[in-house]
Amino acid sequence: SSELTQDPAVSVALGQTVRITCQGDSLRNNYASWYQQKPGRAPVLVMYGKHNRPSGIPDRFSGSNSGNTAYLTITGPQAEDEADYHCNSRDSSGSHVVFGGGTKLTVL
Amino acid sequence: QVQLQESGPGLVKPSQTLSLTCIVSGGSINTAGFYWSWIRQLPGKGLEWIGYIYYSGKTAYNPSLKSRLTISLDKSKNQFSLDLTSVTAADTAVYFCARDVVGGTYDAFDIWGQGTMATVSS
Repeated sequence: SSELTQDPAVSVALGQTVRITCQGDSLRNNYASWYQQKPGRAPVLVMYGKHNRPSGIPDRFSGSNSGNTAYLTITGPQAEDEADYHCNSRDSSGSHVVFGGGTKLTVL
Repeated sequence: QVQLQESGPGLVKPSQTLSLTCIVSGGSINTAGFYWSWIRQLPGKGLEWIGYIYYSGKTAYNPSLKSRLTISLDKSKNQFSLDLTSVTAADTAVYFCARDVVGGTYDAFDIWGQGTMATVSS
């Protein structure tokens, strides 16, 4: 079982705002990183660290943290944002990397 | 522009060893600040971290795979490899190699290979 918990599925209307969550005790001491994955493709890093967005990622993607929860917010999602979103961080020992189970985002 | 490319057999028999290689191009593997990593995705499932190796040779492995796993580095060929012994059908997955940017308080996999499917079947 994963030490990071994500909702299996989330849906959002086109143009609305959606927040995807990643929960785990290790997030009190470590930041989550977030990945977008489309079918048959490798994951793409979309957010990492406190507020870092890789070059080429639209600014409608943002990240935040509160206690043991990390959030990936998409403000005004587009149809092309429909994908699986995965978070990762460290486990409670800090020695190993863990991933959440992933969230399937549907844009209606 | 650093790129990663996995290679290895698509089909492995049960109880045998799965061996995969990740060729790094556009940059040196002998560089501080990155963990060279393996991640897999079982069919229809999420991502599972397998382990990583640092340019110094330091490794870290997923505890659930540690007894069967070796990750090694070949600086002369600018590549790193995975050996997973005693495989079963449960090891059937897409295997990705990825570069992990070590940030102290985060791990960010910023570059990924395209992934290679490994099927365990007789």
